[in-house]
Amino acid sequence: QKEVEQNSGPLSVPEGAIASLNCTYSDRGSQSFFWYRQYSGKSPELIMSIYSNGDKEDGRFTAQLNKASQYVSLLIRDSQPSDSATYLCAVNRRQAGTALIFGKGTTLSVSS
Amino acid sequence: DAGVIQSPRHEVTEMGQEVTLRCKPISGHNSLFWYRQTMMRGLELLIYFNNNVPIDDSGMPEDRFSAKMPNASFSTLKIQPSEPRDSAVYFCASSQTSGRVMETQYFGPGTRLLVL
Repeated sequence: QKEVEQNSGPLSVPEGAIASLNCTYSDRGSQSFFWYRQYSGKSPELIMSIYSNGDKEDGRFTAQLNKASQYVSLLIRDSQPSDSATYLCAVNRRQAGTALIFGKGTTLSVSS
Repeated sequence: DAGVIQSPRHEVTEMGQEVTLRCKPISGHNSLFWYRQTMMRGLELLIYFNNNVPIDDSGMPEDRFSAKMPNASFSTLKIQPSEPRDSAVYFCASSQTSGRVMETQYFGPGTRLLVL
């Protein structure tokens, strides 16, 4: 089993819709969870972090964490064409201290 | 803040040649990470340093890869000899780790390496 799994997509949504991105992880001891956005040809940039079960909202973005199910998700409300990118889920690898393990990413395409 | 600085931004070399990638982390950050990204394997952690000490190098592919961090403001990743399968984008990232939960990692612009 891969440590962090994401559907590769592409996930296509119309402008203004809600985009839902999902991620599962294998290490039950993981405590820190992150969503990074990566535009084509660019480096990853952090958009959300979450550490506790439940929801965390920041503008149009909501991160959801369920440690019992080892599941983390990202919701993007009122999707914009500028949200079109690859979204990477990252989880800390407990055994290696503070290192992060990344999923392969989900490509999101928002059509206008 | 200048952010994480990487050089060179692009590197084209021939198989068998030595390649050295360089990274300057954000000032004040005490953790530095080297990643490699390919379409097939995604973003993989190669090695990370905390306070200039290598903590986890389990991601380093083989002996051809080596990394150093001689001081808090500079790190190198060396590939010798290089092979075509090493072609990838290599990212350096840094963070401020205070012993509690993971701090945000900030990525450099990456080095695009092509080994012919």
